[in-house]
Amino acid sequence: AQTVTQSQPEMSVQEAETVTLSCTYDTSESDYYLFWYKQPPSRQMILVIRQEAYKQQNATENRFSVNFQKAAKSFSLKISDSQLGDAAMYFCAYYTPFKLTFGKGITLSVRP
Amino acid sequence: EPEVTQTPSHQVTQMGQEVILRCVPISNHLYFYWYRQILGQKVEFLVSFYNNEISEKSEIFDDQFSVERPDGSNFTLKIRSTKLEDSAMYFCASSERGGASTGELFFGEGSRLTVL
Repeated sequence: AQTVTQSQPEMSVQEAETVTLSCTYDTSESDYYLFWYKQPPSRQMILVIRQEAYKQQNATENRFSVNFQKAAKSFSLKISDSQLGDAAMYFCAYYTPFKLTFGKGITLSVRP
Repeated sequence: EPEVTQTPSHQVTQMGQEVILRCVPISNHLYFYWYRQILGQKVEFLVSFYNNEISEKSEIFDDQFSVERPDGSNFTLKIRSTKLEDSAMYFCASSERGGASTGELFFGEGSRLTVL
């Protein structure tokens, strides 16, 4: 079974600074997708960034980028120029056909 | 912008009662999902649904649960004989693509179920 591990329950970052959220996963599959979702206090999950496992190039979406290390099964999220609106719960997720598996999530707080 | 809508936003029920949680996926999406999140815990996969059939289900999704797409727009989760441990936030999601090539899953705001 696939597992997703987010070992840090909480992190804090100063506004305008950079923060990296860690995620590892375990799978025997070679083709899959990885996602980071953000869950603000309103509780609706919003996609932050997506990575296809067959792509070596790390995905980037504005201030958000990933460091995807397929051999190490690592998928970290870097948030640059952190903003107050980035404060939320962040979930790493792994997708194989018909099933998205989430990690436990990490609560990110942003200090003004 | 199209979105997934869920009703009710909060339901309180007595243990042993049946509840139906409703979802309206994004109109051109073909793949539908239910997840749940017990307070303070991880988001857990329950079931995925495509072409009027269950595609995948977790060990949580036992005979107590069922899903249905009764018409062209709604996607429902029925929980029979609710238990205290069914209290959770239930999220519906949909995606345009699935299977071996997935697009983004779009989530609703959730339905909070409280079982007393």
